[in-house]
Amino acid sequence: DTGVSQNPRHKITKRGQNVTFRCDPISEHNRLYWYRQTLGQGPEFLTYFQNEAQLEKSRLLSDRFSAERPKGSFSTLEIQRTEQGDSAMYLCASSSGLAGGPETQYFGPGTRLLVL
Amino acid sequence: AQSVAQPEDQVNVAEGNPLTVKCTYSVSGNPYLFWYVQYPNRGLQFLLKYITGDNLVKGSYGFEAEFNKSQTSFHLKKPSALVSDSALYFCAPTSTGFQKLVFGTGTRLLVSP
Repeated sequence: DTGVSQNPRHKITKRGQNVTFRCDPISEHNRLYWYRQTLGQGPEFLTYFQNEAQLEKSRLLSDRFSAERPKGSFSTLEIQRTEQGDSAMYLCASSSGLAGGPETQYFGPGTRLLVL
Repeated sequence: AQSVAQPEDQVNVAEGNPLTVKCTYSVSGNPYLFWYVQYPNRGLQFLLKYITGDNLVKGSYGFEAEFNKSQTSFHLKKPSALVSDSALYFCAPTSTGFQKLVFGTGTRLLVSP
């Protein structure tokens, strides 16, 4: 059990550029979550997947944000036309998806984005 | 609607002393409550959770938490603090029918030698 992995760990980009982050969940985990954490704040929910289906999206997820999980394994989070306000830590988590209700979510190390 | 409050931004305790990190919550439906810890520039590590059953929940690294339904609280405790416990602690409630966790701003725990 290797845990949740995220790549890259750090990303510096210029305003207006597009960026893409990858998350590999714990093997066999069916649910995958994305959160954003800005400095001094707790994580804020962005979206989650049950297998390849995106079941919930936060209002924080503007039109510039898109997430995919095409084969129900890894997921990507893309931000188009980045803005300085997008600078944050992007956290991915996964859970087994076997329980009907809320489950323990296991978090990856995060991708820290800095938009200049 | 779900919300959480951690009333103390920071808790200071001497090594070897007991510690308490407070959490109160508001959820619609049955509460599911989680505690996570975050070390600098790291992701969140799961400590413990309350789903149902015994109000006293034991978790990792000697931590425990007590669920109090009437006070809507889920305080994190440890009988004897270690310097290595110094970190940022998050309480995160959710409830039946929801998958997302709701995090507050967290409580920074500083354990002095």
